[in-house]
Amino acid sequence: KQEVTQIPAALSVPEGENLVLNCSFTDSAIYNLQWFRQDPGKGLTSLLLIQSSQREQTSGRLNASLDKSSGRSTLYIAASQPGDSATYLCAFSNQAGTALIFGKGTTLSVSS
Amino acid sequence: GAVVSQHPSWVICKSGTSVKIECRSLDFQATTMFWYRQFPKQSLMLMATSNEGSKATYEQGVEKDKFLINHASLTLSTLTVTSAHPEDSSFYICSARAPESSYEQYFGPGTRLTVT
Repeated sequence: KQEVTQIPAALSVPEGENLVLNCSFTDSAIYNLQWFRQDPGKGLTSLLLIQSSQREQTSGRLNASLDKSSGRSTLYIAASQPGDSATYLCAFSNQAGTALIFGKGTTLSVSS
Repeated sequence: GAVVSQHPSWVICKSGTSVKIECRSLDFQATTMFWYRQFPKQSLMLMATSNEGSKATYEQGVEKDKFLINHASLTLSTLTVTSAHPEDSSFYICSARAPESSYEQYFGPGTRLTVT
């Protein structure tokens, strides 16, 4: 059974810290991996998409990496801000056009 | 980027009634849409894959006669929760697959269903 594990489940940091969120998956035959942000009671905002042929993607203060051989992806957030407080979900698809398999997320709280 | 809308954003209904949720791709055509359900503090779980012009494919454990899916056009899929019960209360989110080669999925804002 394909599973996605996100560690830690929750994280609290002061403003300005750099932080890393971890995601591991059991199926190395992934097609796409996506990181999402979800605010309480809201839908998903796509942050970064990494295709299987890529190793990382960057957008602003966010950098996501993918290591298929070890079954891991990390989301790096630089200079965290209170507005970054949300739940971060990683998800992957193992074939083109198939549904995503989600982790339970990491809930981040950044204090000012 | 591509935009997916859902309607309604929240709904409260009584036990035994049916509720229809719409998922629309606003600026692209989607031959495939996905319906997910998310319980509080849980991850999103795939319920079914909706294919335009054909029957939906349901995940194991999801009752197809209870969760009716119709994908009648390339921009609209609907999920009808029939004879709703309180345990059906959840956050329902749809996604539509973008047509480009990356097959990125774009998610709707979700529908909060509360069954009393």
